[in-house]
Formats: sequence, structure tokens, C-alpha cells
Amino acid sequence: GNSVTQMEGPVTLSEEAFLTINCTYTATGYPSLFWYVQYPGEGLQLLLKATKADDKGSNKGFEATYRKETTSFHLEKGSVQVSDSAVYFCALGSNSGGYQKVTFGTGTKLQVIP
Amino acid sequence: NAGVTQTPKFRVLKTGQSMTLLCAQDMNHEYMYWYRQDPGMGLRLIHYSVGEGTTAKGEVPDGYNVSRLKKQNFLLGLESAAPSQTSVYFCASRTTYYEQYFGPGTRLTVT
Repeated sequence: GNSVTQMEGPVTLSEEAFLTINCTYTATGYPSLFWYVQYPGEGLQLLLKATKADDKGSNKGFEATYRKETTSFHLEKGSVQVSDSAVYFCALGSNSGGYQKVTFGTGTKLQVIP
Repeated sequence: NAGVTQTPKFRVLKTGQSMTLLCAQDMNHEYMYWYRQDPGMGLRLIHYSVGEGTTAKGEVPDGYNVSRLKKQNFLLGLESAAPSQTSVYFCASRTTYYEQYFGPGTRLTVT
């Protein structure tokens, strides 16, 4: 079946540091890939997406590239801010056994300190 | 356009009591989901619906029931609450292209 693996958190960075959160996946066919962000006390929000190999999703300074050869979709940001502190979820959407399913990773908590 | 709304935001139940969580979406989405989120466990799918009048079990359906009588509403019921059901519950609806839109969550405590 489909699965998503994210790096364990928490990740603690200083403001303006470079961020990478690793995400790898297992899926049949041609899944769509997503990053969601959850701020404290809120629901998940879609951050960015990519629907085919080599696509780059981007939003709010965050980027992720759909790498089919390495089955990865790593999240990056060049300079993090305190306001980026949140939990980040990698997710995959695909047709699996005739059912359109979305699979989430377990989340990576990011803490940015001033 | 309110997106996905959930009622109530907070609730405290005693063991054995019942309650219904309401989810509403105004985006005309066919797919709707109920998840629970527990520390260190990520999101776990309880039940989902692929359209009005349909429901199906997810990963952790025991102790919960759902109904989708109208396309815009998806109800989650707890018939006899247990402390193990203390959690944050999220409803979501989904576009054709797998993009999910989440509600703000319901924090449920069962004592």
C-alpha cells in the first residue's frame, strides 16, 4: 500500500537558517504530493503541491520538488522565520485499489528561535 | 465562503455519554473525512464519505458512527464515549485533485 515517511522531529533552527524536512514515499502509479502546515491550535492548511515528476511546488518561500527517481518530496526554505514554527505534514494522493486515497506522514515539528 | 466548519470547538464528556460532532463545507466537495489527531500519532482516518448518502470505514472506526445525509454535512457520532477517545478531531473535504481542506478541529476530553 501507499506510505509516507518523514524525518523525526522536532527540528530546532535559528531565525534565517536554511530548512530541509525530508519526505519519501511509496506508491503505485503516479501520485500527487503535498505539504501541509499546522499552526498551534489550528487545522492543517495546504502549503504546496506537485502533481507530476519534476514539478516544483512553492508557496510563502517554501519549495519542494517531486523526484520520482528517488521517491522524495523534501521541503526547503532558504531563511526561516519565527512565524514558520509549526508542524509540517507530507502527504500523497493516488488511486489505490480503485479508491482515491490521501496518505499523511506523521508530521515534523519545526521550532524557530530568534 | 466559510470553507470547512466544525461544531463544537471544545467538549468534555463523561464515560458512557454520547455526542455528535458536526462538519459542514460550502465548497461542493464530494469527498469528506473525519480524522483524529493524538500526540505522536499523526492523523488517523476514522471514517470517510465519497458522496451524499455514502460512508466507509477508515483505519480506526471502532466506537464511532457517521452519516452523510446532505452533501455539505458530515456527522461523527460517539455512542458511548471512552477515555481512549480523548483527542482532537478534524474534519476535511477534498477536491477532485486530492487537495484537502481542514476544519479548525474539535477538542474532546472524556473523563
